[in-house]
Amino acid sequence: GAVVSQHPSWVICKSGTSVKIECRSLDFQATTMFWYRQFPKQSLMLMATSNEGSKATYEQGVEKDKFLINHASLTLSTLTVTSAHPEDSSFYICSARSRGNYEQYFGPGTRLTVT
Amino acid sequence: GEDVEQSLFLSVREGDSSVINCTYTDSSSTYLYWYKQEPGAGLQLLTYIFSNMDMKQDQRLTVLLNKKDKHLSLRIADTQTGDSAIYFCAESRGAGANNLFFGTGTRLTVIP
Repeated sequence: GAVVSQHPSWVICKSGTSVKIECRSLDFQATTMFWYRQFPKQSLMLMATSNEGSKATYEQGVEKDKFLINHASLTLSTLTVTSAHPEDSSFYICSARSRGNYEQYFGPGTRLTVT
Repeated sequence: GEDVEQSLFLSVREGDSSVINCTYTDSSSTYLYWYKQEPGAGLQLLTYIFSNMDMKQDQRLTVLLNKKDKHLSLRIADTQTGDSAIYFCAESRGAGANNLFFGTGTRLTVIP
C-alpha cells in the first residue's frame, strides 16, 4: 500500500514551453501533497505544499507564477513549469500524505531537461 | 543555522557495519527520518524516530537520537552491496510537523 506515482518519469522540452508533471496517490487519499526539487548530487528542497481543494503554499524563493500547482482531487496533484528555461532542469519529486498521518510517501521522481 | 548536515561520503566493506551521522537544527522537530535513494529513483522511507525516543531498532537498522546535541545516526549492520545508495536524514518542522527538511545526503559505497 501507500504507492505514489509520477508521470512522466522523464521529459525533455524546449526553452519557453510549459510542461506538466502529474503526481498520483494510487491507494490512499492524499489530503496533502508536497513538491520537491533536487539538483544533481544535492539534497531535496521543498518547493510547495498543497492541500486538496486549497491554494498551494510556496516556500520562500519559489515563484508561484512559474511553478503552478493544482491539487484538485484527493489522488492527483499537478506541477506545471511555465515558460521553462534550462536552469529549471532538475529532478522533481512529489510526496503525499493522508489526513492525520505524519508519514510522506514519495513518488519516483520526474527528470526535466530543458534545452 | 538552517541546514541539516551530513557527511557526504562513506565507504565500508561488505559485512561491516555502517554508521551515517546527521546533525539537525530544530529542537522542536517531532519526527526524524532516514530515507534511502537509489540512482535515478525517488526516496524510500527506511525508518523514523519520534523525538521523545533515544533509540529505535528495526532488523539491521538502528537509529540513535541525541536530542541534547541534535544528533541523529543510522547504523546498518552487516552492510550488503544492495545497501549502496544515498541516505538522507530529514527533520519535520512547522505547525503539525508539516514540512520535511532534508540533509545533504550521504553516499554509501559498499565494497565487496
